[in-house]
Amino acid sequence: DSGVTQTPKHLITATGQRVTLRCSPRSGDLSVYWYQQSLDQGLQFLIQYYNGEERAKGNILERFSAQQFPDLHSELNLSSLELGDSALYFCASSAPRGGDPNEQFFGPGTRLTVL
Amino acid sequence: AQTVTQSQPEMSVQEAETVTLSCTYDTSESDYYLFWYKQPPSRQMILVIRQEAYKQQNATENRFSVNFQKAAKSFSLKISDSQLGDAAMYFCAYRGTNTGNQFYFGTGTSLTVIP
Repeated sequence: DSGVTQTPKHLITATGQRVTLRCSPRSGDLSVYWYQQSLDQGLQFLIQYYNGEERAKGNILERFSAQQFPDLHSELNLSSLELGDSALYFCASSAPRGGDPNEQFFGPGTRLTVL
Repeated sequence: AQTVTQSQPEMSVQEAETVTLSCTYDTSESDYYLFWYKQPPSRQMILVIRQEAYKQQNATENRFSVNFQKAAKSFSLKISDSQLGDAAMYFCAYRGTNTGNQFYFGTGTSLTVIP
């Protein structure tokens, strides 16, 4: 158990809908990353937040957005869903206050299926 | 942007034998961190081993060791005495110190362990 939690575990929805994925980082970690992993693909970096502020942006579609709240949990919002958005979405955290920022710990992922 | 290349999409090894997974990366930074992650069929991302670029000594974690060649920008993973539980997708990752904490992942190598 990495200490990173993600909800829900599974999500099935229809095209055109909007969903929200939630991530709670390890206790004390300031940084949250979101990744998308399509079937048999590598990890695509979407976005990173550090202590509430956006730090880096990767291949994130305009239909997707994220935020990190004062309690450091993060949400990834996916809207106008398409079939191709079906994937495993990972959250990872790192950078504990005063600790080693150089390791990243992954949550179990949310499997999104768009029908 | 930094790139991480894993040129072996698939590898196989006999149980109890040794296998080496390759990874190369491209960077202009002198200080950075390298990682190998394992993703078993459960899809959980598990940190296997990490290497700091400033350390000349290769990292070792039980049966897992790396061959870090900084000049060649090469970072291979050696798995000794392979076990059935080692069967997984393995991802190489890079994190620089001047890239805003972003992690860059390779496309992965699928390892099969043959009994």
